[in-house]
Amino acid sequence: NAGVTQTPKFQVLKTGQSMTLQCAQDMNHEYMSWYRQDPGMGLRLIHYSVGAGITDQGEVPNGYNVSRSTTEDFPLRLLSAAPSQTSVYFCASRPTGGLNTEAFFGQGTRLTVV
Amino acid sequence: LAKTTQPISMDSYEGQEVNITCSHNNIATNDYITWYQQFPSQGPRFIIQGYKTKVTNEVASLFIPADRKSSTLSLPRVSLSDTAVYYCLVGDNSDYKLSFGAGTTVTVRA
Repeated sequence: NAGVTQTPKFQVLKTGQSMTLQCAQDMNHEYMSWYRQDPGMGLRLIHYSVGAGITDQGEVPNGYNVSRSTTEDFPLRLLSAAPSQTSVYFCASRPTGGLNTEAFFGQGTRLTVV
Repeated sequence: LAKTTQPISMDSYEGQEVNITCSHNNIATNDYITWYQQFPSQGPRFIIQGYKTKVTNEVASLFIPADRKSSTLSLPRVSLSDTAVYYCLVGDNSDYKLSFGAGTTVTVRA
């Protein structure tokens, strides 16, 4: 059972470059989300999705795009990377409905923009 | 989402019990209290969830008083490997936006 898989684990970008952070889950969870975590701080929600074809903005969406074409995948795109986007990015998934609100997180992608 | 307040940091020694209290004065009737643990360079991991009274699992216990305006995560006999950041979250199953504050950094020393 792989859970939530993020790729790549590490990435260095030059300012202005674009890239896609991949996230896949094999638990058939409807809800998926992306967070960023800066040093010494908590997680801030970037974008989230409550199912295939449905996405919405979180707390810090500027500079990021997402799409959800399948239940399993939720990629995060940086269109034009900026140094302020240097951070660790976490993808999470959880089931919707019922009593269990446990979220499962990936191992993170450490992104450096120079 | 109910706002939560928890200490920024706590220090402990191996073998001691660590209790982290989280305040959530505006918790709603349908809200559950959930705690996550995050080790350095890893994503957060679910520890325990409760609605009222006491919940215990193999990792921790969660104590919730009758008014539910606070909760206490108890880690029994901590070891060095329990050094992590602990987050308290409050919300119901319709809260898609899980809100993580700064958490409580617990440092366990030998």
